[in-house]
Amino acid sequence: QSVLTQPPSLSAAPGQKVSISCSGSSSNIGSNYISWYQQFPGAAPKLLIYDTYKRHSGIPDRFSGSKSGTSATLDITGLQTGDEADYYCATWDSGLTAGGVFGTGTKVTVL
Amino acid sequence: EVQLVQSGAELKKPGESLRISCQGSGYTFTNYWIGWVRQVPGKGLEWMGIIYPGDSDTRYSPSFQGQVTISADKSISTAYLQLRSLKASDTAIYYCARHHLVDDTDNWFEPWGQGTLVTVSS
Repeated sequence: QSVLTQPPSLSAAPGQKVSISCSGSSSNIGSNYISWYQQFPGAAPKLLIYDTYKRHSGIPDRFSGSKSGTSATLDITGLQTGDEADYYCATWDSGLTAGGVFGTGTKVTVL
Repeated sequence: EVQLVQSGAELKKPGESLRISCQGSGYTFTNYWIGWVRQVPGKGLEWMGIIYPGDSDTRYSPSFQGQVTISADKSISTAYLQLRSLKASDTAIYYCARHHLVDDTDNWFEPWGQGTLVTVSS
């Protein structure tokens, strides 16, 4: 059971913007950095964003990350059909049993 | 090129044990953590644990502590995930990935192995 909550699904038309939220708490998102991953069906996840804001090598600037308090957001602008995938947030949890945690995942559909 | 190559798919019976391997190449294996992630078919990603091959420091998620063992053989740049007393609910894809951990506040996985499908069925 994940401690980071994401909307199960989002959809938008090509060219539009989609914002994926990731809600946590003070012991994880509130005090640590965020990473975001993209996963296509049948493939391993790929890193999109690390250090909350930084794009991994080769990731277009249509993808951007942000954080406010205990929530993080991945924005995808200029949505393309090739962006249809599952997206996961992740962070470190500094609670009693420190370790990494993933979000519940969001399926993005391009209409 | 940094690469992680995992062992192949496995079909096991309930109660059996299994060890999955993950061999790193293209970087200094002992200088980076390696992590393991589980994905049950149709479900999300679960952080299982990490190991630092340089000194074998290992950390487990509470959800997997005592259920799995993570180890590494730095002489062959390979990390392992051992699963014991397998149940049908252990059926999943298991990914290894190079884990970047900074000051216990910043962590990310990159790159990822191709995944190993483990099927537990009688």
